[in-house]
Formats: sequence, structure tokens, C-alpha cells
Amino acid sequence: AQSVTQLDSHVSVSEGTPVLLRCNYSSSYSPSLFWYVQHPNKGLQLLLKYTSAATLVKGINGFEAEFKKSETSFHLTKPSAHMSDAAEYFCVGDMRFGAGTRLTVKP
Amino acid sequence: GAVVSQHPSWVICKSGTSVKIECRSLDFQATTMFWYRQFPKQSLMLMATSNEGSKATYEQGVEKDKFLINHASLTLSTLTVTSAHPEDSSFYICSARGRGYGNQPQHFGDGTRLSIL
Repeated sequence: AQSVTQLDSHVSVSEGTPVLLRCNYSSSYSPSLFWYVQHPNKGLQLLLKYTSAATLVKGINGFEAEFKKSETSFHLTKPSAHMSDAAEYFCVGDMRFGAGTRLTVKP
Repeated sequence: GAVVSQHPSWVICKSGTSVKIECRSLDFQATTMFWYRQFPKQSLMLMATSNEGSKATYEQGVEKDKFLINHASLTLSTLTVTSAHPEDSSFYICSARGRGYGNQPQHFGDGTRLSIL
């Protein structure tokens, strides 16, 4: 089964600055990759999913992720952080969750 | 669309009792359902995968006699924690995935907080 590794347990950015949440995967075949967000006391929400049709995937709320096979990475980015982006973010591969990255946004 | 309803959202019960948690896909047919467990400030751990009409596939280390999963229809899966003990206290989350080609995403329920006294 595929596994994913989220490289940062906690990321802190200032409002208006870029966000980078890192995820590496291990798979010998075409991976099934997703990013989900979990706000405090709320359910999991799908941000985006990887399809083989495009290496750059656009999701909701301005988030994007780029699939790089050479680096086995699927990092999540956003050009400008908003206070409402503060949450826990999970990279999911083959239905298995990474450890999660807590994003803090400072005013 | 793609709503998953999980019930109950919160349950407290005495040690030794069994607890059933329901997971329903309200507006789509869920060919596959997943059950996760989440400890405080930790990620979700996949417990088992179930396909409609067949036995669930449990992850290594998950006791199938302890956590009974039934997926009898395309819209309902249940998780029964049998003879629950305090160490079973946790947050349980289900998800459902429908038919389709390519990478079908999971749709998650809001979770069940289980507290065993």
C-alpha cells in the first residue's frame, strides 16, 4: 500500500504570505493522492485530488498542488494565506493519511 | 452533493457494553466505505475498508472481533465496538466513496466521539 509522509508537523506563516505544506509519497504505480483540511471541531473537507491528466492541480479556496514524479512529491501551496486557512491539513495516499500539518496564520 | 451522515455524534457508555455507529451516504451509492480512528492531536488511522456485500478488510493490528463492520447496503455501513473498554475511547470517523473512474475522493462523516467510562 502506498504511504505518504508530511514533512512538517507545524507551519506558521503571516497573513498574506505564501503557504507551502509538503508531502512525499511512496508508490510504484500511479498514485491516488488527495489533500484534505480539518478545521477545529469540523469535519474533513476535500481540497483537491490528483488526476493523471495534469501535474498542477487546482483546488478550492485558492490552494494548488503540484505532482512531481521525479521527487515523489505532492506539495500543497497557496499564494497568499488568509486567517481562515488556519487548520490541520492532511495528505492522503491510497486512503491512508499522513501525520498532518497544522497551519497557523499570524495577523 | 456527496453527503455522509454519521450517527451518533457523541456517545458515553459503561465499560463492557457494545456500541454501534452508523454511517450513511445520503445522496450517492457508496460502493466502498472506510472506518478511521483519530486520537487527540493525531492523524486518522485507517481501521478497515468495506465493500458492499462483502466482508471488511481490516488493517494490521485492528481486532476484527472487537470492531465489527457491516456494509449490507450501498448506503449504510455500521461499526460495532464490542465489549468496549476505556482504551477504546476515541474519535471514530467514517468515509464513503462512490462508483466512478479515476481517483474518486472519499466523503467524510462528521465523526463519533466515543467515551467509555
